[in-house]
Amino acid sequence: EVQLLESGGGLVQPGGSLRLSCAASGFPFSNYAMNWVRLAPGKGLEWVSGISGSGAYYADSVKGRFTISRDNAKNTLYLQVNSLRAADTAVYYCAKAVNPGDILTGPPFDTWGQGTLVTVSS
Amino acid sequence: SYVLTQSPSVSVAPGATASITCGGNNIVSKNVYWYQQKAGQAPLVVIFYDSDRPSGIPERFSGSNSGNTATLTISRVEAGDEADYYCQVWDSSSDHYVFGTGTKVTVL
Repeated sequence: EVQLLESGGGLVQPGGSLRLSCAASGFPFSNYAMNWVRLAPGKGLEWVSGISGSGAYYADSVKGRFTISRDNAKNTLYLQVNSLRAADTAVYYCAKAVNPGDILTGPPFDTWGQGTLVTVSS
Repeated sequence: SYVLTQSPSVSVAPGATASITCGGNNIVSKNVYWYQQKAGQAPLVVIFYDSDRPSGIPERFSGSNSGNTATLTISRVEAGDEADYYCQVWDSSSDHYVFGTGTKVTVL
């Protein structure tokens, strides 16, 4: 069974940092593009970042503050979130592309984790 | 940057048909995906590549894409279809995924 399990969320002060993790199982992790998507309170889904063989890609709202990475040996996706703002408060989901291959082909997401909550507040 | 616009809400009676639109400039040139998100749950893809249904998604869900509008149609609506629905595309000009603003479907 394909599974994604996020961790690492929590309460952090403005300007603080966290590292989110997404443990993957049940599929050949290294072959698939992976993404982070967030849902802020009262808002809609927002794509945050994605990664595959061609590189890493970021939404304009997080570029320069967030860094996506992956450890294919550990089947784990990461998101380092720095310089956090109140507007970054959200549930962060990791999501797997439906097909193996590069993110530049723009595949949809067929599997999502249950999310990890990041709250930025003083 | 590319923008996808959805109506904020749609209300529909059980058994009726709900149509959810997603507007974007020349959206017909892009692959459109649709996600259903129920309260407290992760999103679920219900349509990919404009009109394909993943395994396990009822035939009541269908999609189309033409001109500047993509449409998700839910036939014979059930109470369990109540959720937020989002369209999504990959914008190759910016190498970004873009989500629509979301539509809340309420079953009366």
